[in-house]
Amino acid sequence: RKEVEQDPGPFNVPEGATVAFNCTYSNSASQSFFWYRQDCRKEPKLLMSVYSSGNEDGRFTAQLNRASQYISLLIRDSKLSDSATYLCVVYKAAGNKLTFGGGTRVLVKP
Amino acid sequence: GAVVSQHPSRVICKSGTSVKIECRSLDFQATTMFWYRQFPKQSLMLMATSNEGSKATYEQGVEKDKFLINHASLTLSTLTVTSAHPEDSSFYICSARDPRTGVLHSYEQYFGPGTRLTVT
Repeated sequence: RKEVEQDPGPFNVPEGATVAFNCTYSNSASQSFFWYRQDCRKEPKLLMSVYSSGNEDGRFTAQLNRASQYISLLIRDSKLSDSATYLCVVYKAAGNKLTFGGGTRVLVKP
Repeated sequence: GAVVSQHPSRVICKSGTSVKIECRSLDFQATTMFWYRQFPKQSLMLMATSNEGSKATYEQGVEKDKFLINHASLTLSTLTVTSAHPEDSSFYICSARDPRTGVLHSYEQYFGPGTRLTVT
């Protein structure tokens, strides 16, 4: 079983709609969680950290459920520029490294 | 914010040759750098952790004699793919940790733009 699993998609989203997707992680010792965005043939870029109480950054909302070991990302009022692959990333202090999920591809269409 | 550069951005080489990729932190001294590899439609896989002045720590399954890592200065780490073969064709990305963010934020990494290697 992969340490971090994501639905690869693609999620085809009409412009202006809301889309949400999850990521599950297998290691309960995971300490910090992030969503990164990666555009085609580019490096990943940090979108937002995910806090235990849930957090929002503009149109993006992230949630963490430690009991069920998943995190989620919700995008409201989708823009064409939101089309990208969203990577779920988990950090464990033991090992001091980031582990990336396979990514969820989102395509926002007019 | 912190900036990390990579060179070259794209390289095509013949099978059996060696290729060196450079990763530089431009406005901070990075005691730790990371090398990742990403195959098409797959996620980033950590290959090794590069520590300045010491030997790199390789992830399981990564051949240290094939992927030579040198972190000779606080701003430069290099990855050399030796005797490259077509299956080594991939997107190689480095990242660096800015020690100024402190221990509490030790997970923060700044990614380089990546190097696309094609072995023919």
